[in-house]
Amino acid sequence: GAVVSQHPSRVICKSGTSVKIECRSLDFQATTMFWYRQFPKQSLMLMATSNEGSKATYEQGVEKDKFLINHASLTLSTLTVTSAHPEDSSFYICSATQDSSHEKLFFGSGTQLSVL
Amino acid sequence: GENVEQHPSTLSVQEGDSAVIKCTYSDSASNYFPWYKQELGKGPQLIIDIRSNVGEKKDQRIAVTLNKTAKHFSLHITETQPEDSAVYFCAASMLGSARQLTFGSGTQLTVLP
Repeated sequence: GAVVSQHPSRVICKSGTSVKIECRSLDFQATTMFWYRQFPKQSLMLMATSNEGSKATYEQGVEKDKFLINHASLTLSTLTVTSAHPEDSSFYICSATQDSSHEKLFFGSGTQLSVL
Repeated sequence: GENVEQHPSTLSVQEGDSAVIKCTYSDSASNYFPWYKQELGKGPQLIIDIRSNVGEKKDQRIAVTLNKTAKHFSLHITETQPEDSAVYFCAASMLGSARQLTFGSGTQLTVLP
């Protein structure tokens, strides 16, 4: 299957700082990537759809100024959590589709963000 | 929108036994049903998927069945092994619409040695 690499796997930061998470498709081009948030023992919640070369599409209730998404190339999307607060602590996961039909989603390994 | 319900939330089986996880969906337009396995601290991994034009699909010890009329689908794992222990998520969407992929609430499977 396709490989999606996500870094870092874990990050601890102070309140008020910004954190950048990278998501790369290693062996395919991903015109669309997705960012999810997952709380402990809960399912994945879609935050935004990242489109290469254009603005991301955010789900209802997700602050676009808080969660900045950049998809500058066909293999890289980044999520920046700006001015992080303890309530932003969560497991963030990216995914990408391997083909234009958007059929199969392949996920990154996730990033555990802890804001002190 | 689509609503996916998954049961049970936790499941413990003895090594070698079978495990079954069931999901129901609400939107009859959904035609793509993947299953993901998520190990602790990792992202979900696609393990099997099925389209609505087939009723069953099998891959070694894993099989998925789909009943379009009743709008439910199930994951079957036979000859379970300790390494099968993980959280399993079902999902549903329309083909070509990954953004609309709706996940179930997850099942924590524990295989006891």
